[in-house]
Order: sequence, then structure tokens, then C-alpha cells
Amino acid sequence: DAGVIQSPRHEVTEMGQEVTLRCKPISGHDYLFWYRQTMMRGLELLIYFNNNVPIDDSGMPEDRFSAKMPNASFSTLKIQPSEPRDSAVYFCASSPRDRGTEAFFGQGTRLTVV
Amino acid sequence: KNQVEQSPQSLIILEGKNCTLQCNYTVSPFSNLRWYKQDTGRGPVSLTIMTFSENTKSNGRYTATLDADTKQSSLHITASQLSDSASYICVVSLNTGFQKLVFGTGTRLLVSP
Repeated sequence: DAGVIQSPRHEVTEMGQEVTLRCKPISGHDYLFWYRQTMMRGLELLIYFNNNVPIDDSGMPEDRFSAKMPNASFSTLKIQPSEPRDSAVYFCASSPRDRGTEAFFGQGTRLTVV
Repeated sequence: KNQVEQSPQSLIILEGKNCTLQCNYTVSPFSNLRWYKQDTGRGPVSLTIMTFSENTKSNGRYTATLDADTKQSSLHITASQLSDSASYICVVSLNTGFQKLVFGTGTRLLVSP
């Protein structure tokens, strides 16, 4: 398996534009997570899904953020409208049911909002 | 408040030397503690996991310790290599449901030749 695949690797956008980040989890994993990482705050869990259903979105900072998982092999994180303070690295991770809390991370999308 | 604090924030050591990274947590109820290694430009990768009853766990040149009484963990790296240069993140899981995780902000380690 190629691991968790995220796209794009880098995204530069202007303030106010819509941004969509994409993730393909490891096949067979039941859980999918979206994290945000900044120098100041480290890693923060935004939302996670179990079997394509959103379970906990309490980490989503504002209504500008939304996430979907239409099927077991694809998820998106959308920011609309984007703001400079959204600049961060966004990680997608997946986990199998029997591995407890170990998450397998993608390489991340570095988002810069100017 | 559930918190994980790591020290030092950053560290520079010479290749071949040993080092120890610290993690203090105030998380309750405790389930387990993981150390992740994050190379620059990549996602974190799990190194070790420790539950309440485990004191020490090794993974090659990495040895993690856990003192559940003092709520402290350490990650010891032996005979450091240039490839050990990375951020090391301590993550504590709450025993209140799946994926209730509290992250430390990490220690940036640079191994210098």
C-alpha cells in the first residue's frame, strides 16, 4: 500500500478564495482524521470519521471549515473563504480498527493564504 | 486541563552522542502514550506506544520510559545518527473514547556531523 495520499502537497491562495484539500486513506482503515499543524500550536485534531461518518468535529475552528467523506477511499477538507491565519500544514491520517490510537499520516498539504 | 509539555523545545547534539527528550503530562484518565518522529516535510510516524503498566519500551536505538506516578515520559536516543534529526512529538491518549488525543508541541532535534 502506498500509504495515506494527500493532494496537493503545496497550495498558495489568495485570501477569500476557496481551498479544497484531498485525502486518500490506506485501504481497509476504518478511521480517517484531519489535523492541522502550526509552529505555535503544534498538531490539532480538526475532525475524524469512522466508516465515512463524521464522529467528532469539535476541533473544526469555524464554519468556514467543512469536511466530507463520500466513500471509504476519499475525503476532502474545504475552507471557504480562506484567511491568512489558516496558513498551516494540514495532515490527513487513517487508522485501522484494531490498532487503537496509532494513526498513519500522509505527507501533508502546506497551505499558504496570502 | 489536559496538557502535554515537552522539553527541551530544541536540541543540537553531535553525531554519535546520546540524548534524552522529556514529556510531562497532566492528562486524565490516561490510556496510553506514544512518541512520534516527524521528519521535515513529512507526516509523523509512531515510534513507541506505552500503556499504564509499562515502564520501558525500546525500538532499536530509541528507548521510551514511562512513570505513571509522576506522569512523565522520556525518549532516549542512543548513538545518534544524522537521520535522527527530526521533531519528536509526545501524544497522550485519554481513556474516554477513541482518538481523544492530547499532543505536545514537540522537540526539534538536530544531529550535527
